Amino acid sequence: AQSVTQLGSHVSVSEGALVLLRCNYSSSVPPYLFWYVQYPNQGLQLLLKYTSAATLVKGINGFEAEFKKSETSFHLTKPSAHMSDAAEYFCAVSVLVQGAQKLVFGQGTRLTINP
Amino acid sequence: DTGVSQNPRHKITKRGQNVTFRCDPISEHNRLYWYRQTLGQGPEFLTYFQNEAQLEKSRLLSDRFSAERPKGSFSTLEIQRTEQGDSAMYLCASRLGGSTGELFFGEGSRLTVL
Repeated sequence: AQSVTQLGSHVSVSEGALVLLRCNYSSSVPPYLFWYVQYPNQGLQLLLKYTSAATLVKGINGFEAEFKKSETSFHLTKPSAHMSDAAEYFCAVSVLVQGAQKLVFGQGTRLTINP
Repeated sequence: DTGVSQNPRHKITKRGQNVTFRCDPISEHNRLYWYRQTLGQGPEFLTYFQNEAQLEKSRLLSDRFSAERPKGSFSTLEIQRTEQGDSAMYLCASRLGGSTGELFFGEGSRLTVL
């Protein structure tokens, strides 16, 4: 079954430092992969998506992610963290089951930014 | 703003009561999803509609849960005889058919069962 695993439930970085949030996927077919961000008591907002075009995907708020088939990874990065980046981040894979397409999410990574 | 709208945003109820949540998707989206999210976890799929047809239900959706989407527009999620374990954020999302699977989420409805 297709799934994603997020390594590290909590990541803490200093303001201005590199952000790296890890996601590995399991899929027998080329996957569609997504990163979403969730601020407290809010819904999920799409950051970026991979749909088998360019392997380096740029998203909103300066985030980007690279699809690496050999490593089955789709890690999220940002060169310089900002205080406003503090949130919960979810990696997701699109799966097709009996004709129904849906997203399967990882457990999430809480990002804390230290001043 | 014509995003996904959910209400109520917060609901506190006593165990054993029934609750109903409503979701208004983006108007041109014919696919509608319900997810449940508990504290510190990722969203878990509950059910999926294509227009008015409910095409998939998760095993998480016990007999106390029922979802409808009459006329293929808004959707309701009803929980009967609520239990404390039902306390969670209920998220609604929608998308266009034929898209790459990207979901557009509402703000969620948080349920607290006392």
